[in-house]
Formats: sequence, structure tokens, C-alpha cells
Amino acid sequence: RKEVEQDPGPFNVPEGATVAFNCTYSNSASQSFFWYRQDCRKEPKLLMSVYSSGNEDGRFTAQLNRASQYISLLIRDSKLSDSATYLCVVNNYGQNFVFGPGTRLSVLP
Amino acid sequence: DVKVTQSSRYLVKRTGEKVFLECVQDMDHENMFWYRQDPGLGLRLIYFSYDVKMKEKGDIPEGYSVSREKKERFSLILESASTNQTSMYLCATWDRVGQPQHFGDGTRLSIL
Repeated sequence: RKEVEQDPGPFNVPEGATVAFNCTYSNSASQSFFWYRQDCRKEPKLLMSVYSSGNEDGRFTAQLNRASQYISLLIRDSKLSDSATYLCVVNNYGQNFVFGPGTRLSVLP
Repeated sequence: DVKVTQSSRYLVKRTGEKVFLECVQDMDHENMFWYRQDPGLGLRLIYFSYDVKMKEKGDIPEGYSVSREKKERFSLILESASTNQTSMYLCATWDRVGQPQHFGDGTRLSIL
């Protein structure tokens, strides 16, 4: 079993749709959690950190369920510019960061 | 804002050459990382450094070495480039637990 798993997609959704991505991790001692977005041929950029109580940033909502070892990202009112690959990243201990394979999103006009 | 600068966006080298990739950060972060990213394989850690002159092997260190003589600069060295090292190389920095990594723009390296 991989340490961090994501549905690779692609998710093809119309503009204005709500879309949710899931991520599961295997290490119960994992400490910190993040969502990054990566555009084609570009570097990953931090979208948001994920906190135990859940957090929201505009149209984006992240949730963490430590008991189920599960992280989610919800995007409301999708825009064309949201088309990208979304990476789930887990920090287990110290400098150990584990990246999921990414979920590809295409928002269609 | 953290600024992580990689020396080249695109680089073409020949098999057998010694290749240097440079990464510079301006935020005084202790930790710096080198990854490569390939289609279908995701990000894989090559080396990281937690202090000046300190380094640790990552998951795929073979064929690579690193240098950290100053806190702000972390260099990746391909001792004798081979075609299977054609990839996107990403440098990242990290401050402390609870904080995310910050990435440079990446270097697309082609070995011919």
C-alpha cells in the first residue's frame, strides 16, 4: 500500500460545479498535511494547509479526519483557472514529506 | 514571501558531462531539498540538507551528489550525466514542523 493515495482522475467538471478530492495516508503518526496545486510543467504551489478543525479559503475547503487517516479538498464554483493537478502532501516526522501522485482536474467551459 | 530561485528553467547537456543545478533561498530556512519529478512516478526525493555542510540521502541518490557550503545555497551535482536523468528537478525549502515546503520554479533538464 502506498503511503499517500489519491484518485488520479482526471476529473472533468463544468464551470460552476463543486468537486471534491480525497486523499488517504497510511502513517497514523503523520503530523502536518497540505494541498498543493501544480500546473502543467510548473512547480507545485501551496494551496492550503489542512488543520484538524477543517479550514476554508474562499472557494476551497479542506478537511482532515485523523481517525480515518483521510484528507479532503472541496472546490466550489469551479473556474477554468482551477484546472491543474492537486497534490496531497503529508509530513510524517522531521524532514520526511510524502507526496501523493496527484489528482488531475479539468474544468470545462 | 519565501523566494526559492533555481539557476536555470531549461538545460540541455550531453551524456557523461558533469552538471550543476543551483538553488538559492532568501528566507534563512535550515532545510533544503532536491526532488525529481517524472510522469507517473510523482516527486521523488534525491537528497536533503538540514544545515550547512550536512546532507542526507533521499530515496534515489544514485548518480547524484549535493553541496551546501552556505545556508542559502544548495547545489545538486550529476557526476556523469546519463539519459535516464532527463527529468524535471525541483528544489524546496522548509522551516519547521507545521509549515509547508516552498518550491523553486524547477529546472527541466534534458540529457542527450
